[in-house]
This record gives sequence, structure tokens and C-alpha cells, in this order.
Amino acid sequence: AQSVTQLGSHVSVSEGALVLLRCNYSSSVPPYLFWYVQYPNQGLQLLLKYTSAATLVKGINGFEAEFKKSETSFHLTKPSAHMSDAAEYFCAVSGQAAGNKLTFGGGTRVLVKP
Amino acid sequence: DAGITQSPRHKVTETGTPVTLRCHQTENHRYMYWYRQDPGHGLRLIHYSYGVKDTDKGEVSDGYSVSRSKTEDFLLTLESATSSQTSVYFCAIRTSGDYNEQFFGPGTRLTVL
Repeated sequence: AQSVTQLGSHVSVSEGALVLLRCNYSSSVPPYLFWYVQYPNQGLQLLLKYTSAATLVKGINGFEAEFKKSETSFHLTKPSAHMSDAAEYFCAVSGQAAGNKLTFGGGTRVLVKP
Repeated sequence: DAGITQSPRHKVTETGTPVTLRCHQTENHRYMYWYRQDPGHGLRLIHYSYGVKDTDKGEVSDGYSVSRSKTEDFLLTLESATSSQTSVYFCAIRTSGDYNEQFFGPGTRLTVL
């Protein structure tokens, strides 16, 4: 069994400020972890993934996430927010066996203030 | 872009009518998925397929059926639509890589009146 909790359904940041989106997971097996971004009226786009090769993962658009097993967390950060980062972000977990299904968190909507 | 299209992109229908949504992929991936997206719930898996004529239920499968007669097409059917099925529906494929990552289509917005 697996689940994902994203703390905060809405986050507001100023342009140029740090973006921090929190994700905690539970999984009975070693996980793969993902962050997806959804821009208005679009599908989900993969930002980055943790696949056990490295605990600090870099993704597209300047985002990165750190896997912390002891805290069962996979928080997403970006040092300096840009207006184009306004979107909804989803954390997801999967078991490492082939074909394991993804389980998504409820999403965090990011608003960027000028 | 993983070559995924969904049709229709928007649909308004009435309670009790049947509705079929289509997902088409161009890259012959084995695994295909149907999700629904609702505020506060993220994406929830409805059904998935692991090959032609091989399908299984997800966590919110009640009221939905699927079919996959060709590798490239995965159909989602609402036999008798209800207002609770108003949602945005996404199709996804899993590539042949090792990490279970999925790639999503553009979505279908369904409104049941």
C-alpha cells in the first residue's frame, strides 16, 4: 500500500523568492517518487523523478527535490520563483516493481506574485 | 510529448446517457491508464491496461468500463453517466523504461448535467 500527502493545497510566493512544496509518502516497498506540473488546461508534465540513483534530483525549469528516507519526504524546491512557475504541482509514488501503479497526492497550486 | 491524443477534448452530456472517451497513442506502449482529476483529490486511477484485451480496475472503477482491442487505443465508457462523473479525464502511458514513469494526454473535460 502507498499514499502521498502534500502539505498545503495553495502556496503563494513572490517572484524571486524560494519555492518549497512539501511531499510526504508512505510505501511498504522501496519507492520511486515523481513530481509533475500541470499548467492551466493542460495535461501533467514530468518535472523530475527519484529512482534510487541519487537522493538529490534535478529536474526541468530549475526545480530540484531531495529524497529523505528517514523523513519519508520528497520536497520540491526552486531557489527563485518566476511568474511562469504558476501552476499546480503533484507528487506521486510508485513501487519499484515493473508495472506498479502511481499514487498521487492532492496537488499544490502555486501562485506567484510580482 | 509521448504521442497521446484524447477525444473528445470537451463534452457535455445528460444524466443517464452513455459516454465513450478515446485515448490514442502512436508509440505502441504496453501500459495505458485512465485517471480522473477532481479538486483536492489529485489524480485517481479508474482502470488500466497491460496489453490488448488485458485490463484491470483502479481505485475508482465503479460506473466505468474499458476496452482495448488494439495496442494504440484505450476506450473509457460511462454506461450511464451521473453528475458525480463530471470531471477531467486523463489518459496516460508508461514507457518501456524501468521507473514506472507515466506520460499524460491533454485531458477530456466531461460535464454531466
